[in-house]
Order: sequence, then structure tokens, then C-alpha cells
Amino acid sequence: EPEVTQTPSHQVTQMGQEVILRCVPISNHLYFYWYRQILGQKVEFLVSFYNNEISEKSEIFDDQFSVERPDGSNFTLKIRSTKLEDSAMYFCASREGRSQPQHFGDGTRLSIL
Amino acid sequence: AQSVTQPDIHITVSEGASLELRCNYSYGATPYLFWYVQSPGQGLQLLLKYFSGDTLVQGIKGFEAEFKRSQSSFNLRKPSVHWSDAAEYFCAVVPLDNTDKLIFGTGTRLQVFP
Repeated sequence: EPEVTQTPSHQVTQMGQEVILRCVPISNHLYFYWYRQILGQKVEFLVSFYNNEISEKSEIFDDQFSVERPDGSNFTLKIRSTKLEDSAMYFCASREGRSQPQHFGDGTRLSIL
Repeated sequence: AQSVTQPDIHITVSEGASLELRCNYSYGATPYLFWYVQSPGQGLQLLLKYFSGDTLVQGIKGFEAEFKRSQSSFNLRKPSVHWSDAAEYFCAVVPLDNTDKLIFGTGTRLQVFP
């Protein structure tokens, strides 16, 4: 069964450094998402992406965050200058079309020191 | 306020016992409804979904959920729990008010005793 894959599984970064989280969505999917889960808290929406542009973003997704689909397969989340509070599990998800569910990757655990 | 509520933070059951995990939502129109499961160190796996139609939906791993419009609920059930069902369970909705983002509940941690 096709899967959403995320790399790396764990990323440790110094505060203030840039980090890029990578995702390969399911190949025929058109809608892409990033979510995050701070330890002990619920999963929160960050951003959705369709047709090569952001379709919606949350208040969390400020100017430090950006997303890109650099080629036909990858979908990346960049945090330009990381803060301690960015430490979380980041999940990528993709969806084929309307009335289809989102499928999630296994996540990248981001630890900011 | 619009929200998804999972009132049980932690549930413990014996293996072989039945299970019901509660989920309530507060949105004006009936949203799309989902249950996801997260095993330790793993991602979110879709158990089942409700978009419309039959209010009792079947999912993977022997789970089912029933949508009750009058109660704004979408409770997850399993008649006989296995030790491998121990995990965190998340109810989620897509509110359908010009958004397709998932709104998650706080999750219910299921512990299974032999």
C-alpha cells in the first residue's frame, strides 16, 4: 500500500539554525499538509498546499515557516530560524481529492537545543 | 466555540473486553469525521471515516464507529480488544466551512491488560 514517507525520523538542531523537513506524499495525491504535535498536546494544523500554492495556513505558520514542492515528488517544510518552542513531532499528510481522507507519514521528531 | 472533544484521556481495558471511545464535536453543519490511531513512535493511521450515508461505518482492525447527529457524536467501538490495540486514538473532523484541514481532539490513550 502506498505510503507518505518523511525524512529524517529525528532531527536535532541548535536554536537559530535553519531546518528542512522532507516528505514524499503518495504519488497520485494532489493536496498536501503539515501538522505538528508538541509533546503531550494534540495534533495541530500548520499549512495546506494545493496546485503549487498555500491554500490555508494557521496562526502558527508565521514568517519563519515556508513550504515548497521543489519537484514532482517532494514536499518540504522549512523553519528559517528555529526556536525552542519549535520542538515537536511534525507530520506530513496528503490526500488524493475531495471526499478522500488524509494519509499521514510517520513524522519527524524535531528537537531544538 | 468550534471544537472536537474526547472526554476520556486514558482508558484501561482487559484483553477481550469491549471498547467504546467517545468523541463529540461542535460545528454547525455535520463535518467529515475520522478516527486515527497512533502507536508509540509511529505516525497517524486512518481507522475509519464518515462523509455521508450509512451512520455506522466499518474500519480496519475490527473497529467501527457510529455517527449520531442528534448527539453530535462519533464514538469508536470494538467488540473484543486485543493487546496490540494499545495506542493513542484521535478523533478528527474536517469542518467543511471553506477549509479542508483536520481538527483533532486531544486523544484517548488506550491501555490493554492481559
